[in-house]
Amino acid sequence: DAGITQSPRHKVTETGTPVTLRCHQTENHRYMYWYRQDPGHGLRLIHYSYGVKDTDKGEVSDGYSVSRSKTEDFLLTLESATSSQTSVYFCAISESVGSRTGELFFGEGSRLTVL
Amino acid sequence: GESVGLHLPTLSVQEGDNSIINCAYSNSASDYFIWYKQESGKGPQFIIDIRSNMDKRQGQRVTVLLNKTVKHLSLQIAATQPGDSAVYFCAENAGGTSYGKLTFGQGTILTVHP
Repeated sequence: DAGITQSPRHKVTETGTPVTLRCHQTENHRYMYWYRQDPGHGLRLIHYSYGVKDTDKGEVSDGYSVSRSKTEDFLLTLESATSSQTSVYFCAISESVGSRTGELFFGEGSRLTVL
Repeated sequence: GESVGLHLPTLSVQEGDNSIINCAYSNSASDYFIWYKQESGKGPQFIIDIRSNMDKRQGQRVTVLLNKTVKHLSLQIAATQPGDSAVYFCAENAGGTSYGKLTFGQGTILTVHP
């Protein structure tokens, strides 16, 4: 299994509070991603990073920000959580050029409930 | 936006049977397709992939077929086992600057009965 650790694995919070999810990898992969998974929507890309301090928006980026100060860590922040952000969040990593395009390695997920 | 979808949300088979999971895609620019398996409480796991210049690719007990004419993708699992029970997602990637930016279908639940 790819060395990806997400924390926390479970979190319950209240509307309006800030939340930060952490993804830590030990594979030294260049690319890191945050997806959310909701019933009826599958997995949708929130933000991704193609290097330290290099990030870009995905399909559903509104209400989320990310930071990557080190290769191994990719943080997802909800500045003011809303109930619509209740979801399971998956971090993923992929190798740089030369690997199979699109083969993402996923973490175990972080279940967030916003009351 | 364009998305990937599935024909059948659930599939129930007997152990030993072959399973076929279907997927329709709409982005004609996609040049790379992937199947993922997700077991309960876990993240998706890569199964097999195929590039748009191919129409068939085989792995261990799995085969992916790509029909670009009708924008259809399928995953065939031979001799299905109870351990194959999971949610299966197809995903597409337009390649190039879209590296790693996958668009996922909604998933098909496969249940294998002993």
